[in-house]
Amino acid sequence: DGGITQSPKYLFRKEGQNVTLSCEQNLNHDAMYWYRQDPGQGLRLIYYSQIVNDFQKGDIAEGYSVSREKKESFPLTVTSAQKNPTAFYLCASRLRAGGRYEQYFGPGTRLTVT
Amino acid sequence: QQQVKQSPQSLIVQKGGIPIINCAYENTAFDYFPWYQQFPGKGPALLIAIRPDVSEKKEGRFTISFNKSAKQFSLHIMDSQPGDSATYFCAATTPNAGNMLTFGGGTRLMVKP
Repeated sequence: DGGITQSPKYLFRKEGQNVTLSCEQNLNHDAMYWYRQDPGQGLRLIYYSQIVNDFQKGDIAEGYSVSREKKESFPLTVTSAQKNPTAFYLCASRLRAGGRYEQYFGPGTRLTVT
Repeated sequence: QQQVKQSPQSLIVQKGGIPIINCAYENTAFDYFPWYQQFPGKGPALLIAIRPDVSEKKEGRFTISFNKSAKQFSLHIMDSQPGDSATYFCAATTPNAGNMLTFGGGTRLMVKP
């Protein structure tokens, strides 16, 4: 089965703890993205990576960190510096070739911090 | 800074009706405009997309109309069904800066039986 997997589906953490969200894709896509979605809101870009070992900040990168050591994996760490971390987190990937721009999303991880 | 404005925020239609969702953009560098459909608790799924050199694109019951001079585009759902009830997002991207998508705020559509 090809696609994007995110784990876990639900995640609960205490305030002050760092937490890492997993995103894996077997689509051989070059670019990967992390978005945050708040209830009733659109998607906001946290970080993106176009190639391995390279990534750029999106619109709301403060309090988050990422790594891209493998093409297939783009984990997101929500640090204790993120003031309002409770949200639905979505990972996406895109094939960077031939002028194709389609981004495909994973199923999401709902993070609750109390 | 909201570069893509989407309206309405919510929409209720009867089965068989034709809901229309509108988006307007400011950045003339945008050159690709996808629409995504999202069901509760799921990730968005690409529905249909258009480039500005085309004024209309149809895929099944879904049609995008594009007005480049007005910097507006819209999604029409023909013969809407209760299963179309979802949140719809328009988006836009440029060929530079990693093809980041800029999303509209979303429209929650309910199709009544």
